[in-house]
Amino acid sequence: NAGVTQTPKFQVLKTGQSMTLQCAQDMNHNSMYWYRQDPGMGLRLIYYSASEGTTDKGEVPNGYNVSRLNKREFSLRLESAAPSQTSVYFCASTHEENAGVGLSGELFFGEGSRLTVL
Amino acid sequence: QKEVEQNSGPLSVPEGAIASLNCTYSDRVSQSFFWYRQYSGKSPELIMSIYSNGDKEDGRFTAQLNKASQYVSLLIRDSQPSDSATYLCAVKGVRNAGNNRKLIWGLGTSLAVNP
Repeated sequence: NAGVTQTPKFQVLKTGQSMTLQCAQDMNHNSMYWYRQDPGMGLRLIYYSASEGTTDKGEVPNGYNVSRLNKREFSLRLESAAPSQTSVYFCASTHEENAGVGLSGELFFGEGSRLTVL
Repeated sequence: QKEVEQNSGPLSVPEGAIASLNCTYSDRVSQSFFWYRQYSGKSPELIMSIYSNGDKEDGRFTAQLNKASQYVSLLIRDSQPSDSATYLCAVKGVRNAGNNRKLIWGLGTSLAVNP
């Protein structure tokens, strides 16, 4: 039972470098999410994908891009990392009965990726 | 006013006591309410969801929802040291422009259960 798998778990980048966080789920969920979590700020939604082939911006999308490669995989890319992107990143997934309506808040989270940008 | 508010804590209770965690929300049309537990350095894990007024029990956990007063609470009976964690309240809010209901998170309440 892998659930939601994120890689890498830890990464240190220099300002200006790029990287991609990978996420895969094996629960046949249609909706996937990328969050960041910072002390005092809580969980903030970066991007989400309500269904395969669609992606939408969340609260804090600037500096990020995403790709919903297929139903299982949803990647997050930092094109030019900045120290403000130092955070813990969580991928999550759920099954929405009606894609786009977003009735379910029962999310399954990956273990997180700790990113430090120097 | 924050959309979902929780006391940050820490809430400290002795082992075996009842821990009571509260959450208030601002959007009256919210329909879905969730409690997640997050251990230090780990990811959030769903422990309870509640969709209608009243109480919902699952083992030692009881979620209580009062839509008229716009609060949802989580009671943990017979608290154990293993319950020590941060508890996040999440509320399914209004539709955004893309017709997708947002999940709005509180900042969490830290619970410490002392042996």
